[in-house]
Parts: sequence; C-alpha cells; structure tokens
Amino acid sequence: DTGVSQDPRHKITKRGQNVTFRCDPISEHNRLYWYRQTLGQGPEFLTYFQNEAQLEKSRLLSDRFSAERPKGSFSTLEIQRTEQGDSAMYLCASSLLDSVTGELFFGEGSRLTVL
Amino acid sequence: GQSLEQPSEVTAVEGAIVQINCTYQTSGFYGLSWYQQHDGGAPTFLSYNALDGLEETGRFSSFLSRSDSYGYLLLQELQMKDSASYFCASLNDYKLSFGAGTTVTVRA
Repeated sequence: DTGVSQDPRHKITKRGQNVTFRCDPISEHNRLYWYRQTLGQGPEFLTYFQNEAQLEKSRLLSDRFSAERPKGSFSTLEIQRTEQGDSAMYLCASSLLDSVTGELFFGEGSRLTVL
Repeated sequence: GQSLEQPSEVTAVEGAIVQINCTYQTSGFYGLSWYQQHDGGAPTFLSYNALDGLEETGRFSSFLSRSDSYGYLLLQELQMKDSASYFCASLNDYKLSFGAGTTVTVRA
C-alpha cells in the first residue's frame, strides 16, 4: 500500500498523559499536513510542512502540541498533558508541491480518546 | 479567516439527483474542492474548480461562481454507496479549509 499511513489508529489515554502520533506520507510528496476532526465537523487545519520546514501552525494549536518532520519524510505529532477536549480524530495528509488542484491524500487517521 | 457554509444533511432515493450547495468567505481564494468521507474512512478528493463553470467527472459534477462566492456538487444517479459526508473546501495558496460537511443518506 503506497498511501498515507498513520499509527496508531486508536489511542486511549488518561488526562495528563502525553501521546505521539506518526504519519508516513506518500513517498514523493513534499507537503505534509495535520488536521483534527471531531464528530460532525470537517477537518480543521493544525499545521503544515514543506519538506522538513514547518511553515504554518494554527493559532488554535496550544503550546501543548508539537509536530516535527525531521528528514522531510515521516512526521510526528505530540500532545503533552492531554485534556478531554483533545479527543478527536487526527488526520495526516500529503500532497505534491506543484499540484494544480491542491489535492490532499489523507490517511485514515489516529483516533484519540482522553479519559 | 475562512468560512464555508453547506447544508448539514440531505436524504434522497436511489437514482435521484442531489445538489449540495456551498457558500464561502475566504481571503486569497484559489479554488473550491470537494471531498467525500465514508464513516470511519479517510476524506478522498472528488473535484476541484479554479475557474467559473461546471466540471464533470462521471456521475459527479462540480460548479463554481467566483463572483457569487458559491459552488455546488451535483450527485447524479445516486447509489447506496454514495451515502457519505461531503465537504467543500477552499484552497488558499497551499492550505485547504473545510466546511462542516453534508451528510448524504441514500435510501432504497
């Protein structure tokens, strides 16, 4: 399978714990995005990488959230001191820099439940 | 900021035609995309309009009017497998901003 893969698919944690999600984009894609989706809502932009550079981070993202893409390939999203409001599906997507349509290829997401 | 409005739900019978409208208020607008998402699945790309007019891809068509900040997705010859959520999304430079989605339910 050469699509976007995310790990883990499901994570249940207690409030206050740290969690980390991993995303492996399509190999030739230089753009990588993290989105968050809650029930009945559309994906909400969190952050964007072009190769290894993080070019934008949503103002909605608190300093408990950090993302990296160290070698311009896979990316990690870490949430520190989780809160119940962090419960959501975390979606990773990738695309080509020169895509005319801006088409994003999404992974199936990592579902986080904070108890 | 970016704001996109679309209806929350639409129900129709197999074989029918459904139109999902989307109005947007965005800055730096490049074009309007549509994505489909089945329950528990990943959003998948359906279409993109950068210019005014209609784009047709099989049973699905998408329309854009930049002067009206309006677009729609037309689903024809509805099939049960079309039951899903549909999102319009505005492209601004490199980033997509999504609407809240329209849940389409197809009944036999």
